[in-house]
Amino acid sequence: GQQVMQIPQYQHVQEGEDFTTYCNSSTTLSNIQWYKQRPGGHPVFLIQLVKSGEVKKQKRLTFQFGEAKKNSSLHITATQTTDVGTYFCTANQAGTALIFGKGTTLSVSS
Amino acid sequence: KAGVTQTPRYLIKTRGQQVTLSCSPISGHRSVSWYQQTPGQGLQFLFEYFSETQRNKGNFPGRFSGRQFSNSRSEMNVSTLELGDSALYLCASDTGGAGEQYFGPGTRLTVT
Repeated sequence: GQQVMQIPQYQHVQEGEDFTTYCNSSTTLSNIQWYKQRPGGHPVFLIQLVKSGEVKKQKRLTFQFGEAKKNSSLHITATQTTDVGTYFCTANQAGTALIFGKGTTLSVSS
Repeated sequence: KAGVTQTPRYLIKTRGQQVTLSCSPISGHRSVSWYQQTPGQGLQFLFEYFSETQRNKGNFPGRFSGRQFSNSRSEMNVSTLELGDSALYLCASDTGGAGEQYFGPGTRLTVT
C-alpha cells in the first residue's frame, strides 16, 4: 500500500524561528492530509490538499502539495510555544485505510 | 455535534487477560478506524469498519479484533494481553469517503 515518509523526525527551534517538515511518497497521491497532535492529546485535522501544486495558508502555517503530487510540506513562520507537538502527514483514497507516518515532533524553547 | 467518545479512558490489565474498548463516532459518520499509538512505533493502523463491515485491516495478530454495530458504534477487543500491548488506542470516525478523520481522546491501556 501507499506510504508516506516524513523528515525530520525531530526538530527543536527557538521561539520565533521558522520550521518546515517534509512529507514524501514514492507513489502519486490522490490527496494529502496534515494532522497535529499536542503532547498528551490526540491527532487533530489541520488541512487536506488535493490539487497538484496547491498551496494553502492558515495564519502562520503554509501547506504545499508538490506538482507531481508525491510530496508535501508544512511550513510554520515565527514559531510559538503553542506550535509544540507532532505533525503527521497522511494520505488515503476512498475505501482505503489512512496510513500515518511517524511524524515530525517539534519542540520550541522560549 | 458531539465529538468522538471513547471508553474507558484508562485501563490497567494483567497479562493474559482480555479487554474491550468502545468508540462512539460523530453522529452521521459511518466509518470507524482504530489505531495503536506507542512511542516507538507511532500511529499504527489496526482496522477500519464501515457500515458494520471490516473494510481494511492492518498488520496485527488475530488477538486484535473489532466490530461495528448498526448505530456505527464500534468496539475493539484484545485477547490474551501481552506487555507490548500497552499503548494509547485511538479511534477515529469519518463519513467513509477520503476526507478528514476525527479522533477520540483515546484509551490508555497498561498491561502489567
